[in-house]
Amino acid sequence: NAGVTQTPKFRILKIGQSMTLQCAQDMNHNYMYWYRQDPGMGLKLIYYSVGAGITDKGEVPNGYNVSRSTTEDFPLRLELAAPSQTSVYFCASSYRQGIYEQYFGPGTRLTVT
Amino acid sequence: TQLLEQSPQFLSIQEGENLTVYCNSSSVFSSLQWYRQEPGEGPVLLVTVVTGGEVKKLKRLTFQFGDARKDSSLHITAAQPGDTGLYLCAGTGIQGAQKLVFGQGTRLTINP
Repeated sequence: NAGVTQTPKFRILKIGQSMTLQCAQDMNHNYMYWYRQDPGMGLKLIYYSVGAGITDKGEVPNGYNVSRSTTEDFPLRLELAAPSQTSVYFCASSYRQGIYEQYFGPGTRLTVT
Repeated sequence: TQLLEQSPQFLSIQEGENLTVYCNSSSVFSSLQWYRQEPGEGPVLLVTVVTGGEVKKLKRLTFQFGDARKDSSLHITAAQPGDTGLYLCAGTGIQGAQKLVFGQGTRLTINP
């Protein structure tokens, strides 16, 4: 099994550009998450989804959008990129919330200049 | 907002030494998880503790959940260079949506 996959691995954006970070999982998990990780700040939840067609905001949703048309895919859209969005982005999935393990992808390192 | 504070933020010790990493909050959590993250990779779950006072062992790693379920600790005995990494604690709140709240992490370096 591939688990959780993310593309691209690295990306440099200019201020004002847009892009989509791709995330896919093959574990048939209903729950999927997007986090950002800044140096010394741990992981902050951007958006999450409890199933296809259902998404909700996390702690830091501003500047991002998500969609969940299938169980497998959970893309994250950045509109009008800003330097504050320079970070490492992780996608994760889990069977359920709470005590259940979250499986993380390898991350996308994004730089906005 | 529930917060988790980890200490120390950085720790560098010699191989063979013992160490303890702490994860503290003023809030009660229904469960607490510890993840380990290698450079360039996503976090990987080490353990989940759910009962106040619970102790779990994973080889040389001992995890404890505080009696009041507000804090946790990770103790490593006879640390090895392979233990080097970023250790993250993450808690699930007792109310509302059960999303994980992460601490800021402890970056551990074990020198040979």
